Amino acid sequence: NAGVTQTPKFQVLKTGQSMTLQCAQDMNHEYMSWYRQDPGMGLRLIHYSVGAGITDQGEVPNGYNVSRSTTEDFPLRLLSAAPSQTSVYFCASSPSTASYGYTFGSGTRLTVV
Amino acid sequence: AQTVTQSQPEMSVQEAETVTLSCTYDTSESDYYLFWYKQPPSRQMILVIRQEAYKQQNATENRFSVNFQKAAKSFSLKISDSQLGDAAMYFCAYRTELGAGSYQLTFGKGTKLSVIP
Repeated sequence: NAGVTQTPKFQVLKTGQSMTLQCAQDMNHEYMSWYRQDPGMGLRLIHYSVGAGITDQGEVPNGYNVSRSTTEDFPLRLLSAAPSQTSVYFCASSPSTASYGYTFGSGTRLTVV
Repeated sequence: AQTVTQSQPEMSVQEAETVTLSCTYDTSESDYYLFWYKQPPSRQMILVIRQEAYKQQNATENRFSVNFQKAAKSFSLKISDSQLGDAAMYFCAYRTELGAGSYQLTFGKGTKLSVIP
């Protein structure tokens, strides 16, 4: 089925470890983004991309890195995990107009111990 | 920058009753889009309803409808005949222009809806 595929669904990391959250979409969407969701904080934008080779920072970019080498993939890298990065992470995509909203991945629950 | 405010962190409703979730936004644009998303315990984000600002008619999707007051910059969601499956976090979102023909959504902080049997 067409959509946004996020992996893994769950992950436990130790402080200082690095990892990459994967996000892929097969709808040829130009726009892709990463959010983190924390209780009482809603969805906060980490990084986004309006097309291959173009990325930009969102509201909470520190400690995260992204790249967009293809239209389909938009991985999120945690450089040195910290307990403050314990959260649920969502990838979302849309056509550039976003007039029908986003298609979201199923989320990744990350725990940093 | 556009902001989206959901003033009710939590709400509850009796099964079969009607509940209204509030959302206000700040914008200087005249043409824009608004959305409500539902996030059940499964964590999946589901688009519930969408409203185009230039359309005067309020959007409806089965038991879900909106009360769109453009002048007041208000976009509330009404759920009729509430069901246990409606229990979820609900997010209001506004489409924001990034420039060069690209847009993104700005989300409110959400309202957690409980349905009482």
